[in-house]
Amino acid sequence: AQKITQTQPGMFVQEKEAVTLDCTYDTSDQSYGLFWYKQPSSGEMIFLIYQGSYDEQNATEGRYSLNFQKARKSANLVISASQLGDSAMYFCAMREGWLHGGSQGNLIFGKGTKLSVKP
Amino acid sequence: DAGITQSPRHKVTETGTPVTLRCHQTENHRYMYWYRQDPGHGLRLIHYSYGVKDTDKGEVSDGYSVSRSKTEDFLLTLESATSSQTSVYFCAISECCETWTSGRAPYNEQFFGPGTRLTVL
Repeated sequence: AQKITQTQPGMFVQEKEAVTLDCTYDTSDQSYGLFWYKQPSSGEMIFLIYQGSYDEQNATEGRYSLNFQKARKSANLVISASQLGDSAMYFCAMREGWLHGGSQGNLIFGKGTKLSVKP
Repeated sequence: DAGITQSPRHKVTETGTPVTLRCHQTENHRYMYWYRQDPGHGLRLIHYSYGVKDTDKGEVSDGYSVSRSKTEDFLLTLESATSSQTSVYFCAISECCETWTSGRAPYNEQFFGPGTRLTVL
């Protein structure tokens, strides 16, 4: 079974509108972390935002916010006021607990969502 | 930006030849990782290192070996390249995971290198 599921292979959004990219995860650990990365067409991987499983508030970083629903095991990325430069692949990733690779910082990635922003 | 370089950035080789990819960091981070990225698969961990001469296997380690003789360098070797190893290879570094405060997963993100596009004919 996949540990990180991103169900939207591709999405379109109109410039200046908000968009939500879905991510669900599967872990039996109580302590874990969730990450979102952006990969533009140039290929580099850019860290966007992090949510810890014990964090009580949803993480926010500028126009990015993470809608964390622990009981549903979802960690959706919300991008407000989309810009043309937001067109990219977006990857959700998880760092599991100590016994499942987390002690070495290992990340498990989803397959990604390709976001296209229309002018 | 984290100081991570990968060399070469592009390489075309033939099946059966050995290939070594190099990752170099100037951040003195303890942890280093090699991933491969393929369409429809996202990024998958090949090998990682948690210190000089300390390495371990990841999800897709078959056909790959690694070495880390210095903190700053992490080498990925394909002993005998196959067409299935055609991919984009990313190196990453992290300060993680020296401490787990109160049992909480560390925050530290991984910083990625620019990637190496490898084609095996």
